[in-house]
Amino acid sequence: RKEVEQDPGPFNVPEGATVAFNCTYSNSASQSFFWYRQDCRKEPKLLMSVYSSGNEDGRFTAQLNRASQYISLLIRDSKLSDSATYLCVGQNSGYALNFGKGTSLLVTP
Amino acid sequence: NAGVTQTPKFQVLKTGQSMTLQCAQDMNHNSMYWYRQDPGMGLRLIYYSASEGTTDKGEVPNGYNVSRLNKREFSLRLESAAPSQTSVYFCASSKTSGRADEQFFGPGTRLTVL
Repeated sequence: RKEVEQDPGPFNVPEGATVAFNCTYSNSASQSFFWYRQDCRKEPKLLMSVYSSGNEDGRFTAQLNRASQYISLLIRDSKLSDSATYLCVGQNSGYALNFGKGTSLLVTP
Repeated sequence: NAGVTQTPKFQVLKTGQSMTLQCAQDMNHNSMYWYRQDPGMGLRLIYYSASEGTTDKGEVPNGYNVSRLNKREFSLRLESAAPSQTSVYFCASSKTSGRADEQFFGPGTRLTVL
């Protein structure tokens, strides 16, 4: 069982919609969390870090619930360019990044 | 700055052949990583190098070796390729291997082993 679990989707949403992804993690020792974005046949790129207090970057909001061990990503006013796979990532102490398998999002006109 | 570069972009090998995947970064990062990405499996860490002169095994090291040639370069070697090693290989780097450091990824090498 992977340490980080995500619903693979796909999530198909119309432009302008709000969409939310959740992910759960099993290792309570995980200290840091991130959302990475991966376009088709491209490398992953950091979208945003996830802080305990929650954080926002434009249309994107990330939340961390340590008690329930889940992380969420909310995308408001979806754009066609948001179509990608979103990777939930946890980090234990030191180097190890634990990647979820990714959630696929398709935003349609 | 080119960031993280990888060569080759594509490679086809026959079972039993060997090859080395090259990775270089120009961001003066201390830590470098090799991952493989398979459909339905997500990214898995093969080896990493926390700093120049050190290397350590990740989640799936069997069948691979690595060399941290200098601060910039980190290579991955397949001594005797097997079909199970067909995958997309990503190299990444970060400032340190510490908590909350962003990892920057190269464009990947698509390897097929026949």
